[in-house]
Amino acid sequence: DQQVKQNSPSLSVQEGRISILNCDYTNSMFDYFLWYKKYPAEGPTFLISISSIKDKNEDGRFTVFLNKSAKHLSLHIVPSQPGDSAVYFCAASALLNFGNEKLTFGTGTRLTIIP
Amino acid sequence: DAGVIQSPRHEVTEMGQEVTLRCKPISGHNSLFWYRQTMMRGLELLIYFNNNVPIDDSGMPEDRFSAKMPNASFSTLKIQPSEPRDSAVYFCASSSETEYSNQPQHFGDGTRLSIL
Repeated sequence: DQQVKQNSPSLSVQEGRISILNCDYTNSMFDYFLWYKKYPAEGPTFLISISSIKDKNEDGRFTVFLNKSAKHLSLHIVPSQPGDSAVYFCAASALLNFGNEKLTFGTGTRLTIIP
Repeated sequence: DAGVIQSPRHEVTEMGQEVTLRCKPISGHNSLFWYRQTMMRGLELLIYFNNNVPIDDSGMPEDRFSAKMPNASFSTLKIQPSEPRDSAVYFCASSSETEYSNQPQHFGDGTRLSIL
């Protein structure tokens, strides 16, 4: 049962344009969402997060949008740069006894920025 | 600041052998997580510790897998005996977890394990 889904395995975007990566979740208990970026032979690197009390969080070129009613979140990267080429993972957790136990990850989307 | 440090980076061994993966979390972090990444199942949580105590090991695939955290700065994941299907990349992550706030987990660069 895939509780966090990234339905697009890959995405190609022209340099300078906007990249939009999507993520859907099924567990209504999830209240904290994160995006990680992963380069080959490295571990995932934390990019940006959003709590369920917000619907938008922005950090430089990266913005995450959360639509709780649709159980959908998206990551916008603008403008896209060649260094953004990586695999992006969406992750979610539920605030139960502790802050962020049991992150559940999506399967990832490979983003390629075309120069 | 040093990030999460994992060793070895690569391990190749024959089936039946014991494998030990090591992790040093970020200093001051009180939660430690072990993940496994495979093509078929993606990134899946195996076990996590809070203040050196195992909280949830429901992701550990079977009794051949065990994990320990003897102190706040060191953890091991052991597979004995190893099997070819254990071949994967194993990641360790840590975070400064509190009861009321969410903090991101920070990952090491992983151990690529190949069981022949």
